[in-house]
Amino acid sequence: DTAVSQTPKYLVTQMGNDKSIKCEQNLGHDTMYWYKQDSKKFLKIMFSYNNKELIINETVPNRFSPKSPDKAHLNLHINSLELGDSAVYFCASSQGRTDEKLFFGSGTQLSVL
Amino acid sequence: AQSVSQHNHHVILSEAASLELGCNYSYGGTVNLFWYVQYPGQHLQLLLKYFSGDPLVKGIKGFEAEFIKSKFSFNLRKPSVQWSDTAEYFCAVKIRNTDKLIFGTGTRLQVFP
Repeated sequence: DTAVSQTPKYLVTQMGNDKSIKCEQNLGHDTMYWYKQDSKKFLKIMFSYNNKELIINETVPNRFSPKSPDKAHLNLHINSLELGDSAVYFCASSQGRTDEKLFFGSGTQLSVL
Repeated sequence: AQSVSQHNHHVILSEAASLELGCNYSYGGTVNLFWYVQYPGQHLQLLLKYFSGDPLVKGIKGFEAEFIKSKFSFNLRKPSVQWSDTAEYFCAVKIRNTDKLIFGTGTRLQVFP
C-alpha cells in the first residue's frame, strides 16, 4: 500500500483553467504539506495542515487554495492557471508538527500550456 | 531569511569513487539537519538526519554526514559510490521547534559503471 498517494501523476492543461490535485496518506499522520519543485529542482513549501488546521501558508498566490476535509487528505486547488505554475507538486506527511521525518508522495507534474 | 546552499549542482563519478556533497545553512540557532534522496522517477525519501549528539551520523546505504557547527555545514559522504546511487540529493534544515523544513536546491549525482 502506498503511504502517501497523490493524483493525478501528470496534469497537462491550458492557461486560465482550474485544476485540483488530490493527496491522501494512510499513515495516520497529523500533519500534511504541499511542496512545489520548480524546473531547477528547488523544493519550496507552500502549505502545511495539522489536524485540518492551516499552520503554514507561504507567500503563494491566492489562486492556490488547499483544502483538508480530514487529516488524511490534503487537496490543492489552483484557479486561473498560469505558465509559471508549471512544476512538480509534492504532497508529504509527518507524524506531528515538529516531526521532521517527512514521507513524500510521488509528485504531480503539472504542465500549463 | 534562513537558507540552505548546496554548491555542487551536478556531480559525475565513476563507480567506487568517493563522494562528498556540500551543504551549508544560514542560521545561528539550533537546527535539525537532513539529507533526502530522490531516485529517478521516485519520491523523496529520508537518507539520514542529525538532531543532537555525535555530529557524525550514519544513514542508509552506506551514507554518512558530518555536522560541523562552526562551519554551518552538513556534508554528505560515501566512501565508494555505486551506479544505483544515481539520484538527486537534497539537504534540508529545520529550525528547532518551528514547523518549516527548508530545502537546498539539490545536487544531481550521476554514477557511471
